[in-house]
Amino acid sequence: NAGVTQTPKFQVLKTGQSMTLQCAQDMNHNSMYWYRQDPGMGLRLIYYSASEGTTDKGEVPNGYNVSRLNKREFSLRLESAAPSQTSVYFCASSTWGLLNIQYFGAGTRLSVL
Amino acid sequence: SQELEQSPQSLIVQEGKNLTINCTSSKTLYGLYWYKQKYGEGLIFLMMLQKGGEEKSHEKITAKLDEKKQQSSLHITASQPSHAGIYLCGADSNTGNQFYFGTGTSLTVIP
Repeated sequence: NAGVTQTPKFQVLKTGQSMTLQCAQDMNHNSMYWYRQDPGMGLRLIYYSASEGTTDKGEVPNGYNVSRLNKREFSLRLESAAPSQTSVYFCASSTWGLLNIQYFGAGTRLSVL
Repeated sequence: SQELEQSPQSLIVQEGKNLTINCTSSKTLYGLYWYKQKYGEGLIFLMMLQKGGEEKSHEKITAKLDEKKQQSSLHITASQPSHAGIYLCGADSNTGNQFYFGTGTSLTVIP
């Protein structure tokens, strides 16, 4: 039972390069999320998708785009990476509703030089 | 936006000691979640509280939500090295679909 799978686990980019972080869940969850985790700031929501076909901005969406490819997959794209985007990125999924218990992937550690 | 403040930021305790982590919200909480993160890994759900005065326990971990639903505490009894990690509280936005996390509490348990 894989749960939430994120790829890649590690990535180093140069300023201005682009990349896509992939996330897939096998729990038939409706909702999916992208967070970034920075020291001393906890997790901050970048974008979320409440259901297939919808996406909405979270707390820190600038510099990112997302695609909800289907119910299973939710990708995060950095069009022109900046050093400020150096962070650990987590994808999560949930059934949403009254109990929004989220299940997390193992994270992607991204460094932008 | 919802703001969740956790205290302390870090905690170092001797194995066997009890400890408490607090999570305070700037607004009324409609759902308060506790997660644990082992170093270098993703978050794992621990417990969720919804009602004022609610208390839940799992093994040696007890979480409480105060009557006013603006503060939650996580208490660990007789701590063990396996309890080490980062504990984060999280809450649903009272305006809709967003979710917010506290800044986290790093726990070290010394054998």
